[in-house]
Amino acid sequence: GENVEQHPSTLSVQEGDSAVIKCTYSDSASNYFPWYKQELGKRPQLIIDIRSNVGEKKDQRIAVTLNKTAKHFSLHITETQPEDSAVYFCAASGHTGGFKTIFGAGTRLFVKA
Amino acid sequence: SAVISQKPSRDICQRGTSLTIQCQVDSQVTMMFWYRQQPGQSLTLIATANQGSEATYESGFVIDKFPISRPNLTFSTLTVSNMSPEDSSIYLCSVGTSGETQYFGPGTRLLVL
Repeated sequence: GENVEQHPSTLSVQEGDSAVIKCTYSDSASNYFPWYKQELGKRPQLIIDIRSNVGEKKDQRIAVTLNKTAKHFSLHITETQPEDSAVYFCAASGHTGGFKTIFGAGTRLFVKA
Repeated sequence: SAVISQKPSRDICQRGTSLTIQCQVDSQVTMMFWYRQQPGQSLTLIATANQGSEATYESGFVIDKFPISRPNLTFSTLTVSNMSPEDSSIYLCSVGTSGETQYFGPGTRLLVL
């Protein structure tokens, strides 16, 4: 079945450094790739997304890249700040299956001040 | 994005009982979904709530255990039936407002004793 693998499971960086989280997906029909940030005790919040007709998208300190051939996509956070500390989930979905979204296992990011 | 509310926000229940969780959206949405998130884990899709027809359940989830209603385009309920301690989890509804993008409700934290 469809699967999304996410690495690393835990990431610790120094404030100001960059953080990169990588995901791979199995369903070649997937064409939409959102990223969610979940702070402790809160709901997952959409932070950025990318569609399959785009290779890269940037929003201030956050960027996402997509390689459809290799079926992997990545989240890049630059100039990390302590408030970036959270769990980040990648996900993949497509028109088939009624927009069913498959989530990665999550990456717990710690930004040390 | 839509404003999504869930009731109750948390509950403690006795095994063998049932709990109905409500999800209300402030605007009409096409897609509504129910997820389960166990502590420290990712999001697992339980079912897609279809307006006017039976919900579509994912593998491992059945209607008898998780009956779902969706009477209109702004409201859905999920019932967790005949609960056991293994049902202790966070239950989240999500809505799709345009295509694949999903936004999550605040979640219902359930503890079964």
